[in-house]
Amino acid sequence: KNQVEQSPQSLIILEGKNCTLQCNYTVSPFSNLRWYKQDTGRGPVSLTIMTFSENTKSNGRYTATLDADTKQSSLHITASQLSDSASYICVVSPSWGYSTLTFGKGTMLLVSP
Amino acid sequence: DTEVTQTPKHLVMGMTNKKSLKCEQHMGHRAMYWYKQKAKKPPELMFVYSYEKLSINESVPSRFSPECPNSSLLNLHLHALQPEDSALYLCASSPTSGGNNEQFFGPGTRLTVL
Repeated sequence: KNQVEQSPQSLIILEGKNCTLQCNYTVSPFSNLRWYKQDTGRGPVSLTIMTFSENTKSNGRYTATLDADTKQSSLHITASQLSDSASYICVVSPSWGYSTLTFGKGTMLLVSP
Repeated sequence: DTEVTQTPKHLVMGMTNKKSLKCEQHMGHRAMYWYKQKAKKPPELMFVYSYEKLSINESVPSRFSPECPNSSLLNLHLHALQPEDSALYLCASSPTSGGNNEQFFGPGTRLTVL
């Protein structure tokens, strides 16, 4: 069964600090892995999308890594800001001609002043 | 225009009401999706439209009825809903329905069924 597991479930950090969120997946075959940021009550916004051949992708203060061999990904947030408080969702897409995505349950990040 | 818009933002309805949720995109995408998201849970796929035709229905109850009038618009008609249907309803679009396409999400409609 295709699964995406994220850790930690929730995280509190002080403003200005860095943090790393983890994602492990068992989706096979594998096409791409995405990290989304979702503010409470809003739709998810894409941060990064990586195919199996990519190891790292950055978007401003967000850097995602992917190890397709171990089926692990991480999202590193640098110099956190209060506006980074949100749920971060890891989403994996199979390489079928079919668009069902497998969503992780997300990590709820709270950046405290 | 690189966004997906949804109306209304909030909707409160009784169990006997009929209402509709609307979604619009002008990115030329030919695949559009409805998701349901309960609090603190990931989105769950409901329907997929590809080239204005319903291609996936994830065993959604018939009280939810999707409609795709044209390539830019997607509606979700609601009738005789239950309180447990209260959730955030998200619309998304992608260039095509292939698994390597990025999906762009709208802001959602917060639905409350009384």
